[in-house]
Amino acid sequence: KQEVTQIPAALSVPEGENLVLNCSFTDSAIYNLQWFRQDPGKGLTSLLLIQSSQREQTSGRLNASLDKSSGRSTLYIAASQPGDSATYLCAVSLYGQNFVFGPGTRLSVLP
Amino acid sequence: EADIYQTPRYLVIGTGKKITLECSQTMGHDKMYWYQQDPGMELHLIHYSYGVNSTEKGDLSSESTVSRIRTEHFPLTLESARPSHTSQYLCASSAPGRGGNTEAFFGQGTRLTVV
Repeated sequence: KQEVTQIPAALSVPEGENLVLNCSFTDSAIYNLQWFRQDPGKGLTSLLLIQSSQREQTSGRLNASLDKSSGRSTLYIAASQPGDSATYLCAVSLYGQNFVFGPGTRLSVLP
Repeated sequence: EADIYQTPRYLVIGTGKKITLECSQTMGHDKMYWYQQDPGMELHLIHYSYGVNSTEKGDLSSESTVSRIRTEHFPLTLESARPSHTSQYLCASSAPGRGGNTEAFFGQGTRLTVV
């Protein structure tokens, strides 16, 4: 059974720092991996989608990498801002199965 | 931008009432999902659908029911609400790719409080 973990569970940093959030999964036979952002009491906003054949995706200050063989993905946030404060979740999509979500990393960026 | 909508955004209702949470998407996605999430906790899949007339139970047992009569509409119903149903309910959709699911899009959620 696919399991997804995220480290750290929570992170508090001063504004301007570069951050790395980690996502690990146990079954490397994934179809794709998606990173989301969730603000308190809101739905999930899709940030980046990495297909299994890709190594990384970039959007603005965000860069996500994927290493299927080691079962890991990292989300890199450059020059963090207070508006980046949210919970970040990763989810893997398996062939013919539903998404499996990680528990999330709760990020606080202090002004 | 995701075109998936949930109504209502907030609902406070008395015990024993019947409620329906609405979810609609305009992207033509075949797969739709309902997740339940308590504050600060993980997402739990409670229902999903592969398309019209298809409904499946998810990983977390739920007393709710769903229907899929139209591609764009996936409502969730609680016949008799109880305080234990208090939670946030999130609807999502995705288009099936070759062998797997493509990008998932979520609605803004419905925060349900049963008093």
